[in-house]
Amino acid sequence: DTAVSQTPKYLVTQMGNDKSIKCEQNLGHDTMYWYKQDSKKFLKIMFSYNNKELIINETVPNRFSPKSPDKAHLNLHINSLELGDSAVYFCASSHLVAGTYEQYFGPGTRLTVT
Amino acid sequence: SQQGEEDPQALSIQEGENATMNCSYKTSINNLQWYRQNSGRGLVHLILIRSNEREKHSGRLRVTLDTSKKSSSLLITASRAADTASYFCATDSSGYSTLTFGKGTMLLVSP
Repeated sequence: DTAVSQTPKYLVTQMGNDKSIKCEQNLGHDTMYWYKQDSKKFLKIMFSYNNKELIINETVPNRFSPKSPDKAHLNLHINSLELGDSAVYFCASSHLVAGTYEQYFGPGTRLTVT
Repeated sequence: SQQGEEDPQALSIQEGENATMNCSYKTSINNLQWYRQNSGRGLVHLILIRSNEREKHSGRLRVTLDTSKKSSSLLITASRAADTASYFCATDSSGYSTLTFGKGTMLLVSP
């Protein structure tokens, strides 16, 4: 069974469009994240939610809006897509074990903006 | 801002050899974690070492941590072709699950 799943796996779209990426985890974790991995493989945290509440919001354009309808889901909506948004977006989840967090990643969504 | 810096950026070895990757970071940490990413896949957690630990083992993996030098190393012994992947170190400075990743080391293990 897939622990952290994302849809779609690939997304090709034109500049100016609005798109969403969905993420679901069946691990019962309290915390979920969105990361962006650029073409140089640099992975950067975008958002973090704990029990449906936003706890981390890094410097990300407000065209990116996360939404957590429940603890198991964290979706990412992107408005007015730009060329620079092309990247691989990873969803992850974690829970606290012995005072530390180990993150479980989804397979990624490769977004290409043309 | 970027915290971890892996070295080397790329490493090519033969099966059976050992692979050593290093990670340096800038601020104090609660723990440091290593992840593996196979091509086109998500990251997989390998091992976590806390700030008060100096060495940890898990199967063929050995991780060391030197907080005075703000550095860590990951050793993979008796490497296999299946170990071919990118390896990332990630530091947890907040204690609240925020991980800061380095740029990764790309490991190629040839049969």
